[in-house]
Amino acid sequence: TQLLEQSPQFLSIQEGENLTVYCNSSSVFSSLQWYRQEPGEGPVLLVTVVTGGEVKKLKRLTFQFGDARKDSSLHITAAQPGDTGLYLCAGYNAGGTSYGKLTFGQGTILTVHP
Amino acid sequence: NAGVTQTPKFQVLKTGQSMTLQCAQDMNHNSMYWYRQDPGMGLRLIYYSASEGTTDKGEVPNGYNVSRLNKREFSLRLESAAPSQTSVYFCASSEVQYTEAFFGQGTRLTVV
Repeated sequence: TQLLEQSPQFLSIQEGENLTVYCNSSSVFSSLQWYRQEPGEGPVLLVTVVTGGEVKKLKRLTFQFGDARKDSSLHITAAQPGDTGLYLCAGYNAGGTSYGKLTFGQGTILTVHP
Repeated sequence: NAGVTQTPKFQVLKTGQSMTLQCAQDMNHNSMYWYRQDPGMGLRLIYYSASEGTTDKGEVPNGYNVSRLNKREFSLRLESAAPSQTSVYFCASSEVQYTEAFFGQGTRLTVV
């Protein structure tokens, strides 16, 4: 079983602070994705990283895929109350008998206070 | 464009009852998934179907069965519901590996 360990589980910060969420595994993933979920809704994709060492930026959000494709991080600069939500990392299996399997981490509940 | 449609949105079952959660996607996606989400937790994979005609177990398959009826539809069946199956269930689909997974609105199931 390929597990994704996400940390921290909860994060409560003030507006304007920076934060980083981590997603780690002992297994290699062919790609990692980050989703954001609002209450009562399904998750919505933020970004997909495929190449080891890849860095992608989405406004104030920076995503990185580890060189060995076993870990990823999400960094938010100058957090705003609108960033509040549940952030989930997810990975596709790197081939083999579990081709197409999409596994999620436990999620990070982020609260940004005005 | 409806995307991924799940029915029903809410359901209350008595212990031992059976039911089927329906999921349909209109994006011609190859892969479909069923997840459950419990309070304070991420999504746990129950079953998935990488392509039409195939289904595989995920992390928590016990107590569930699935059917990939055709390319559009992927149903989840609870044969004998238990209180431990109280959860929010999400269906998702993706074109192929690496691509975005699109989710339905979820089914909130309570087993009493």
